[in-house]
Amino acid sequence: KQEVTQIPAALSVPEGENLVLNCSFTDSAIYNLQWFRQDPGKGLTSLLLIQSSQREQTSGRLNASLDKSSGRSTLYIAASQPGDSATYLCATPPRTSYGKLTFGQGTILTVHP
Amino acid sequence: NAGVMQNPRHLVRRRGQEARLRCSPMKGHSHVYWYRQLPEEGLKFMVYLQKENIIDESGMPKERFSAEFPKEGPSILRIQQVVRGDSAAYFCASSLPKTDVNTEAFFGQGTRLTVV
Repeated sequence: KQEVTQIPAALSVPEGENLVLNCSFTDSAIYNLQWFRQDPGKGLTSLLLIQSSQREQTSGRLNASLDKSSGRSTLYIAASQPGDSATYLCATPPRTSYGKLTFGQGTILTVHP
Repeated sequence: NAGVMQNPRHLVRRRGQEARLRCSPMKGHSHVYWYRQLPEEGLKFMVYLQKENIIDESGMPKERFSAEFPKEGPSILRIQQVVRGDSAAYFCASSLPKTDVNTEAFFGQGTRLTVV
């Protein structure tokens, strides 16, 4: 059974800092790995999706990496802004059922002005 | 192409009533997944449906919960005789059949159920 863990559970940083969010998973037989953002009381916004054959994906100030052999993914946020404050979730489905995602508990990020 | 549409966005039910949550997948998507996010907890998979078939219901509570995805119309998650512990955000996702390595599931904005 896949287990996804995110560290840290919460992170508070001043504006402008570069930061790294960590995600680990126990079963390397994944289909892809996806990072989401969730604002309080809102839905999920997909940020980046890394296919199992890829090593990283980039979108603007965000960069996500994937190391299947070690069961890890990191989300790097450059030059953080107060608008980045949200909960960040990583999730991964197995190869056999790509819509059945196992989610981590999330990292609550607060960026201070 | 509209995204995954869920309605209602907010639903209040008294204990013992029934709750019906609807999910219209993206155009052309025939696979639907339901997830539940309890307060202070992560999202948990509930059920995976294709048109007229339940494929995987390993995450569904054994009683009071049911789901369907008819040939025509939206997918419905039905909760009978709701209790306060059912209060949560319920998310739906949809996807195409797996045709290539880039298939992914897209999420709706969720329905927030409050049981009073």
